[in-house]
Amino acid sequence: KNQVEQSPQSLIILEGKNCTLQCNYTVSPFSNLRWYKQDTGRGPVSLTIMTFSENTKSNRRYTATLDADTKQSSLHITASQLSDSASYICVVSGVEDSNYQLIWGAGTKLIIKP
Amino acid sequence: EAQVTQNPRYLITVTGKKLTVTCSQNMNHEYMSWYRQDPGLGLRQIYYSMNVEVTDKGDVPEGYKVSRKEKRNFPLILESPSPNQTSLYFCASSLSGTGPFYGYTFGSGTRLTVV
Repeated sequence: KNQVEQSPQSLIILEGKNCTLQCNYTVSPFSNLRWYKQDTGRGPVSLTIMTFSENTKSNRRYTATLDADTKQSSLHITASQLSDSASYICVVSGVEDSNYQLIWGAGTKLIIKP
Repeated sequence: EAQVTQNPRYLITVTGKKLTVTCSQNMNHEYMSWYRQDPGLGLRQIYYSMNVEVTDKGDVPEGYKVSRKEKRNFPLILESPSPNQTSLYFCASSLSGTGPFYGYTFGSGTRLTVV
């Protein structure tokens, strides 16, 4: 069964600290993996998208990694800011019966404390 | 500004009273979709539309209806809402639903409570 699991479920860190969020998936065949940021009560906003051949991708203070062999991805946030408080969702795109489908993780709720 | 607009943002209704949540996009996107989000669960797709007059069920379509009479609008209809449909709903659109690389643009969400 295609699944996306994220850990930890929630995380609290102090402003200025770094953190890493994990995403493990069993989606096959794999097409691409996206990380979304979702502020409370708002729609998700795309941070980055990674394809099979990409290992690392950076977007400002966010760095995503992908290991397609172990089916793992991580999102590293550097020098966290209060505005980073949000849920971070990992979404994997796979192909089934010639149709692309998105499998959503449940998200990691990140709280940045001053 | 390119956006997906959902209305209303908040809605409290009673069991069995028909309601419609509207969704409109101004990006000329072909693909539109409805999701619901519940605590501890990932977004679950309710219905999607590849283009005008083309709609299909997602993972959790029971109790919902949709229509796509024109490209920009994709309303979600609850004919007889029940308390288990209390949730946060998101409309999303994408340039195309057939390619893997098109990003989604999400609306701001509709928080629905059915009592």
